[in-house]
Amino acid sequence: QKEVEQNSGPLSVPEGAIASLNCTYSDRGSQSFFWYRQYSGKSPELIMFIYSNGDKEDGRFTAQLNKASQYVSLLIRDSQPSDSATYLCAVTLNSGYALNFGKGTSLLVTP
Amino acid sequence: ETGVTQTPRHLVMGMTNKKSLKCEQHLGHNAMYWYKQSAKKPLELMFVYNFKEQTENNSVPSRFSPECPNSSHLFLHLHTLQPEDSALYLCASSQSAGNTEAFFGQGTRLTVV
Repeated sequence: QKEVEQNSGPLSVPEGAIASLNCTYSDRGSQSFFWYRQYSGKSPELIMFIYSNGDKEDGRFTAQLNKASQYVSLLIRDSQPSDSATYLCAVTLNSGYALNFGKGTSLLVTP
Repeated sequence: ETGVTQTPRHLVMGMTNKKSLKCEQHLGHNAMYWYKQSAKKPLELMFVYNFKEQTENNSVPSRFSPECPNSSHLFLHLHTLQPEDSALYLCASSQSAGNTEAFFGQGTRLTVV
């Protein structure tokens, strides 16, 4: 069973702070890594993807990948109340046909 | 406005009913997926179609039957469902099956009574 693990939270951060969301995966063959945001009652929305070790920045979001340690993280700078949502980590295998999702981390940004 | 459209948005059905969920994508993608999302559980992959061919059936009960007539349309036919099948059913598409980002529709909230 290929697993993707996330702390379910809730993770609470004050407005303006940095939110750090973490994800670990079990299969060393994993090739592609994605972060989705899901608001309550809505469908998942792609935020970022990363394929190579290191950091990838897009606006207030930074994805970090460490394949040796089998973890991927998402940093949200200058957190806003509108960032409050569940963040889903997803991983694909080199031989896989679809994304494998973690349970998600609930983030609450307090004003 | 999403490039992946699902209908209906909400569905209530009895255990003896037959219904179908529809998904349409306008993104020019070649892969389409059905996922099930239940409370407190990760998104569960159900079916994958790549260039209209089913490439994965993730041990889904036969009361769920997928159909992919072309790369833009995907159906999920439902019959004799159980109350535990109540969930959010999400359709997604990607350029091809595998290591490319997937885009989701708004989902169908299914309640089996």
